[in-house]
Amino acid sequence: DQQVKQNSPSLSVQEGRISILNCDYTNSMFDYFLWYKKYPAEGPTFLISISSIKDKNEDGRFTVFLNKSAKHLSLHIVPSQPGDSAVYFCAASRSQTGANNLFFGTGTRLTVIP
Amino acid sequence: DVKVTQSSRYLVKRTGEKVFLECVQDMDHENMFWYRQDPGLGLRLIYFSYDVKMKEKGDIPEGYSVSREKKERFSLILESASTNQTSMYLCASGFPPGTYGYTFGSGTRLTVV
Repeated sequence: DQQVKQNSPSLSVQEGRISILNCDYTNSMFDYFLWYKKYPAEGPTFLISISSIKDKNEDGRFTVFLNKSAKHLSLHIVPSQPGDSAVYFCAASRSQTGANNLFFGTGTRLTVIP
Repeated sequence: DVKVTQSSRYLVKRTGEKVFLECVQDMDHENMFWYRQDPGLGLRLIYFSYDVKMKEKGDIPEGYSVSREKKERFSLILESASTNQTSMYLCASGFPPGTYGYTFGSGTRLTVV
């Protein structure tokens, strides 16, 4: 049962334009959300996160928006660059004692066309 | 920088072999995780550990076991490798996700023939 969903397996965007990657979740107990970026043959690298008490977090060209009522978050990349071409994973976590597992979506492959 | 090191980048093993995948982290993290990544399925949690000698099953523990005898080392064991365990295996570690998430190793591409 997939608690975190990324319904778009791929996205192509022209260099300099905005990339919008979407993510939906089903568990209302999630209180932290993260985006990871993954290049082929490498492990995922942390990109940006947002707490459930916020609706927006910005870091340079990357902004994550959270809509708790819709259980939806999105990652905006502006402007998109060819080096942004990678697979992006959305992840969610629920704070609890013992351990904090991350639940991942299936990923969206972003291609930025020069 | 936090470093998570996986012992092998590529492994080829035969069906029925016992396989050990090793992961070491250098930042005294409490939580360590083993995921596998398969096309169209994203990252799926196999096992995790929040302390030495503690382990918890993830979403797909069947056919796997783990060992955490020291805080910095988390081993994934395939008791009897099968072809459906051919995958990319990713180890991660960290404190509770908070602001910076977990740090992943570079992965081990395991092929079972």
